[in-house]
Amino acid sequence: SQKIEQNSEALNIQEGKTATLTCNYTNYSPAYLQWYRQDPGRGPVFLLLIRENEKEKRKERLKVTFDTTLKQSLFHITASQPADSATYLCALALNAGNNRKLIWGLGTSLAVNP
Amino acid sequence: DGGITQSPKYLFRKEGQNVTLSCEQNLNHDAMYWYRQDPGQGLRLIYYSQIVNDFQKGDIAEGYSVSREKKESFPLTVTSAQKNPTAFYLCASSIRAETQYFGPGTRLLVL
Repeated sequence: SQKIEQNSEALNIQEGKTATLTCNYTNYSPAYLQWYRQDPGRGPVFLLLIRENEKEKRKERLKVTFDTTLKQSLFHITASQPADSATYLCALALNAGNNRKLIWGLGTSLAVNP
Repeated sequence: DGGITQSPKYLFRKEGQNVTLSCEQNLNHDAMYWYRQDPGQGLRLIYYSQIVNDFQKGDIAEGYSVSREKKESFPLTVTSAQKNPTAFYLCASSIRAETQYFGPGTRLLVL
C-alpha cells in the first residue's frame, strides 16, 4: 500500500540545537516534495520545495534533503528558536494526468524549549 | 494585501441543515482546493478546481458540494448528507498545483 509517514511523537529540543524531522514514503514516485509549517488553529504555510533531481535545498536556517532511493526527506532547522515551535507537514506531489496531486503526512509537532 | 480569506472562522450547524463556507483569493491563481483536517489524520482533499466553471471530486467528496463561478471564489457547501461534518476546513489556491497557499480555516461544529 502507499504510505507517507512522519515522526508520530512530538519532538522536544533545546533552543539553539538543530531539529531534524523525517518524512518517509513507500510505493510513490513523487515529482517533488514540500514542507509546510502549521500553527494551532491556522492554515499551513509553505516553507520549502525540493524536486526529485535535487539532493538538498536551503533557505536561511532551514535545510531539506531528498533521497529518492531511501524514499526519505529530512527537514532540519538549525539554531532553533522557541518561535519555531509548530507542527511541520510534508507533502508529496504526484503526477496525476495533466495535473499534480498532493499527498499529506500527518505532521510532526516540534517544541523548542528556551 | 494579497492572500486567501475564509469566513466565518467558526460555524455552527444544526441537524439537517446545509451550511456554506466562503473562500476568496486575490492571488490570481487558477487552482483552488478544499481540505478537511481532523485530529490524527492528514489533510484530506474534498474538491478542487483548476479553472472557472470546472471542479473535480477529491478523496472525500460525499456530502459536500462546490461551485466555481468566479476565479476568485470557491465556496464549499456542507450538506445534511455529511453525517460527520465536525472538522477544520481549509481552502487553498495554487499555480499549476505546486506550492499551495492556505487560508486561515473555518472550524465547523455541530449543535
